[in-house]
Amino acid sequence: DARVTQTPRHKVTEMGQEVTMRCQPILGHNTVFWYRQTMMQGLELLAYFRNRAPLDDSGMPKDRFSAEMPDATLATLKIQPSEPRDSAVYFCASGLGEQGAGTQYFGPGTRLLVL
Amino acid sequence: AQSVTQLGSHVSVSEGALVLLRCNYSSSVPPYLFWYVQYPNQGLQLLLKYTTGATLVKGINGFEAEFKKSETSFHLTKPSAHMSDAAEYFCAVSDQGTGRRALTFGSGTRLQVQP
Repeated sequence: DARVTQTPRHKVTEMGQEVTMRCQPILGHNTVFWYRQTMMQGLELLAYFRNRAPLDDSGMPKDRFSAEMPDATLATLKIQPSEPRDSAVYFCASGLGEQGAGTQYFGPGTRLLVL
Repeated sequence: AQSVTQLGSHVSVSEGALVLLRCNYSSSVPPYLFWYVQYPNQGLQLLLKYTTGATLVKGINGFEAEFKKSETSFHLTKPSAHMSDAAEYFCAVSDQGTGRRALTFGSGTRLQVQP
């Protein structure tokens, strides 16, 4: 049963520290998404990649967030420096590039708390 | 820009009763439409989607949804609620016109099932 995996599942850190979240997409999927879920804003897109190339990162605060895909099996989301307002659940999802109609498969999320 | 409206942030039904969760979208071109379910402390799981063809779509766990273009709606129904249906449900759209794959989510509806 192929699944998207995310590490860590939980992270507590102090303001100003660097946070790195990792995602392993389903093997063979060529599109990877990062979403953030908060009580106030709900689910919002941060960035997405197709064939490892960034297609849209307009939802991401550029001054502190960065997203990369070093290879097809790993996507990373970094926050440096972290702030309390970054506390949220961060989801990674992967899919096949079917022009918007394809299913996105979500990982279990990384629950981040910045103190 | 697309938007999704889910009427009712909380819906409570009795076990065995009809479930109706409402979703309306705003888009210049009819988008692709999705319903996802989120159980506590888990990622999102696809229930069903509409991309083309028959407007009544059947999904997992006995759920179905009907795309009504004239009403810009994609309401989710289930004839008989089960305790295990208690979860949060998200309606989402992706852009058919541009092929942009990222999802725009509604704010979610939390379904409670009373015994």
